[in-house]
Amino acid sequence: SAVISQKPSRDICQRGTSLTIQCQVDSQVTMMFWYRQQPGQSLTLIATANQGSEATYESGFVIDKFPISRPNLTFSTLTVSNMSPEDSSIYLCSVAGLDEKLFFGSGTQLSVL
Amino acid sequence: SQQGEEDPQALSIQEGENATMNCSYKTSINNLQWYRQNSGRGLVHLILIRSNEREKHSGRLRVTLDTSKKSSSLLITASRAADTASYFCATDLSGSARQLTFGSGTQLTVLP
Repeated sequence: SAVISQKPSRDICQRGTSLTIQCQVDSQVTMMFWYRQQPGQSLTLIATANQGSEATYESGFVIDKFPISRPNLTFSTLTVSNMSPEDSSIYLCSVAGLDEKLFFGSGTQLSVL
Repeated sequence: SQQGEEDPQALSIQEGENATMNCSYKTSINNLQWYRQNSGRGLVHLILIRSNEREKHSGRLRVTLDTSKKSSSLLITASRAADTASYFCATDLSGSARQLTFGSGTQLTVLP
C-alpha cells in the first residue's frame, strides 16, 4: 500500500492567479497520476507524471495550463495556472500499487472566484 | 465518452438494507475495480475483479462481472450509515492501472 499526503486540502483563489498542489508519497513510485473531478462528475485523468521526463498529458489538457513537476520518485506538484471559475474542481493525485489498484491522496478542493 | 456508466445515479436506503449498484462499459477489459469516495475526499479502493472472474467477495461487498453483457454490479449487504458515499467503477484495459477510466458514480445514502 501507499500513503499519499496532498496539500492544500482546499483553497479559494481569485481569477487569473495560479495554485500549486503538492503530493508526497511514502514510498518510491515510477508514475504518479493527476486527476480532476469537476462538481458532481467523475474523475478525468489530467496527466501522468514521470520522474526524469516530461509529464504525459491527456487529450484536452496542456502543459501551459497544468504544468507538472516530478523532481524525485516520491514527490510531484501540479499547478493550475491562470485560473478561471471553470477550474473549480477537486484535484487528486494517485499512484498505482503493485496489485494494479490506485491509491489516492485526500484531494484538493479548489474554488475560483 | 466515459468507459463506465453507472446506475442508479443516486440511491437512498435504510440502514440494514442491501444496496446494489450497476456499471456498464463498452470495450474489453483486463479488470474492473470499485472505489468509494466520501464527500469530496480521495477515493479508496474497494475490490478488483478480473475479466476471467465472475464473482468476488470482500466482507460485506459482493461484486459480479458479466463480460458478455459488459456489466458489473456491486452489492453492499446489511448497509450502515457509514457506507454513505459515492461509489465509482473503473475499468482497466491494460492491467497496469495506468489508464483507469472511471464511471459516472452512484451516490449512496444510508439512512439511520
